[in-house]
Amino acid sequence: EAGVAQSPRYKIIEKRQSVAFWCNPISGHATLYWYQQILGQGPKLLIQFQNNGVVDDSQLPKDRFSAERLKGVDSTLKIQPAKLEDSAVYLCASSSRTGARNIQYFGAGTRLSVL
Amino acid sequence: QKEVEQNSGPLSVPEGAIASLNCTYSDRVSQSFFWYRQYSGKSPELIMSIYSNGDKEDGRFTAQLNKASQYVSLLIRDSQPSDSATYLCAVSMDSSYKLIFGSGTRLLVRP
Repeated sequence: EAGVAQSPRYKIIEKRQSVAFWCNPISGHATLYWYQQILGQGPKLLIQFQNNGVVDDSQLPKDRFSAERLKGVDSTLKIQPAKLEDSAVYLCASSSRTGARNIQYFGAGTRLSVL
Repeated sequence: QKEVEQNSGPLSVPEGAIASLNCTYSDRVSQSFFWYRQYSGKSPELIMSIYSNGDKEDGRFTAQLNKASQYVSLLIRDSQPSDSATYLCAVSMDSSYKLIFGSGTRLLVRP
């Protein structure tokens, strides 16, 4: 079974530029998550999708971050414009069902450096 | 107060010893608890989940949950150098199903 796919693996941009990350979840997984992990911290949930609907985006900085999941499969996270503090690893995860007992599987992440 | 707290470490143990990793959480309605392992530069990998009070064993790993004390721990028996990683504690509530992660404890197993 293929895992969660993410691209690119690394991205370096200057502040005020825009950037986009792509995620393809495990086949059949209805729930998709985007996390931000700053160095030395645990992952922080940015947005959760159930199929192509948003379940939770309470911690998404909506003035600069946006995400979509068209057709309920793959997803794109965008930052526009980027700030220095956006430097982090952006992790995508998926799970087969909602509910607190669902197991989330993580992709390899995209490491973003904002200069 | 942080929602999920872990000692950042590093916790250093000799090879073959038992490593004990601890986590406390602030929300009493938390229902599900997970331990993820994260090697440097890699993504988190689930190693244990626990949902009810008591112990749950899986190979060299034992998770312990005490909801009254709002405390969850992970024991690693016969620690190996390959266990050296950061261990993330994550907590979820049935009502919201999002995971709240601690900052992780870095474990170093000395050969």
